[in-house]
Amino acid sequence: AQKVTQAQTEISVVEKEDVTLDCVYETRDTTYYLFWYKQPPSGELVFLIRRNSFDEQNEISGRYSWNFQKSTSSFNFTITASQVVDSAVYFCALNTYGQNFVFGPGTRLSVLP
Amino acid sequence: DTGVSQDPRHKITKRGQNVTFRCDPISEHNRLYWYRQTLGQGPEFLTYFQNEAQLEKSRLLSDRFSAERPKGSFSTLEIQRTEQGDSAMYLCASSLQGAEGYTFGSGTRLTVV
Repeated sequence: AQKVTQAQTEISVVEKEDVTLDCVYETRDTTYYLFWYKQPPSGELVFLIRRNSFDEQNEISGRYSWNFQKSTSSFNFTITASQVVDSAVYFCALNTYGQNFVFGPGTRLSVLP
Repeated sequence: DTGVSQDPRHKITKRGQNVTFRCDPISEHNRLYWYRQTLGQGPEFLTYFQNEAQLEKSRLLSDRFSAERPKGSFSTLEIQRTEQGDSAMYLCASSLQGAEGYTFGSGTRLTVV
């Protein structure tokens, strides 16, 4: 069975604080992809990153960074110096063999001015 | 526009009525997926097509739901005899074989009153 857990339901931070969103996944497949999506109030899913299971290098993109650790089945997402525009629901998702996604329940991030 | 298009964006219907949604994928994508997202949850997989063949259906897809992709291009999702529990955002996505370029549409929000 495949499963994605995002233990943090809601997080509130003050602007300019750093925040880390946790993601833990379960799969028996050796080849898989992990994703993060942002869903603002308008509802569309905005792609943030894709990582395949053979690439454990951490990645940084501007204020965003991702920490992938196969040993703990985690793929955590950090926003540095958060901004009000970062307020949204963030989803971690697992995809194997390029087929359907299994999404986590999401973490609602509120960045207060 | 080269993204995934969904129509309509919003639909309000009375319980018991039938509704149909349309999805136009990215033109060169051979795979098309339908997901449902209820309030406060992550999207859940419903079904997917490779070209015109419907290859997988989730147990969430009750017999009141039917999806088609007659010419391997656009797809329709029909819900018959709608129930209040069908109220959700219905998301369409398309991709090439594999997870490359997996793109979500903006969704159709259904409200059953």
